[in-house]
Amino acid sequence: EIVMTQSPATLSVSPGERATLSCRASQTVNSNLAWYQQKPGQAPRLLIYGASTRATGIPARFSGSGSGTDFTLTISSLQSEDFAVYYCQQYNNWPPWTFGQGTKVEIK
Amino acid sequence: QVQLVESGGGVVQPGRSLRLSCAASGFTFSSYGMHWVRQAPGKGLEWVAVMWYDGGNRYYADSVKGRFTISRDNSKNTLYLQMESLRVEDTAVYYCARDQGQIMVVVGSFDYWGQGILVTVSS
Repeated sequence: EIVMTQSPATLSVSPGERATLSCRASQTVNSNLAWYQQKPGQAPRLLIYGASTRATGIPARFSGSGSGTDFTLTISSLQSEDFAVYYCQQYNNWPPWTFGQGTKVEIK
Repeated sequence: QVQLVESGGGVVQPGRSLRLSCAASGFTFSSYGMHWVRQAPGKGLEWVAVMWYDGGNRYYADSVKGRFTISRDNSKNTLYLQMESLRVEDTAVYYCARDQGQIMVVVGSFDYWGQGILVTVSS
């Protein structure tokens, strides 16, 4: 089973600032990596797939990069609606499909 | 628009059974693999099970293998999760999610999610 590790657990950022979230896989997942956003009481929403492709309707301030074992989600200028928990997920080796433990982006 | 609506959750005693349903609309249900993903209170996401578009393949997380059964009825556009021998640790919000692939392809990224349904296992 591939273990996904996200860092940091919590990221405190001011509105308008840049946020950089990291995700590391225990073995290569090539570019088969997705990012999801989850707000309290809501279902997760797909942001990025293929490590760097934005899903339909996702603003350009969200970008993903990386391949192999190390990945980054960048939010270029945080808006109020971006404060949430973000999960990475690998879909290269399955089953199981595995998620990271999440990074909470909170208002500084 | 794509909609996934879960139902069937509730409070159940350990060892008992429960069946969840996920009604799909707004897309050709029979063309997509479908997954169940769960989230324990205050915890992260855990993939539970998948069924291929035609029911031909299905896989389970080790934590539920032998106790849970995923199925689908493409004539009713509905996905199911039969949960047997429930444990306290199965307490979670259960989401159904559409696989991003189509027809014969299961990709394993999830492009649409239901709102989730809470299952509480408690004596």
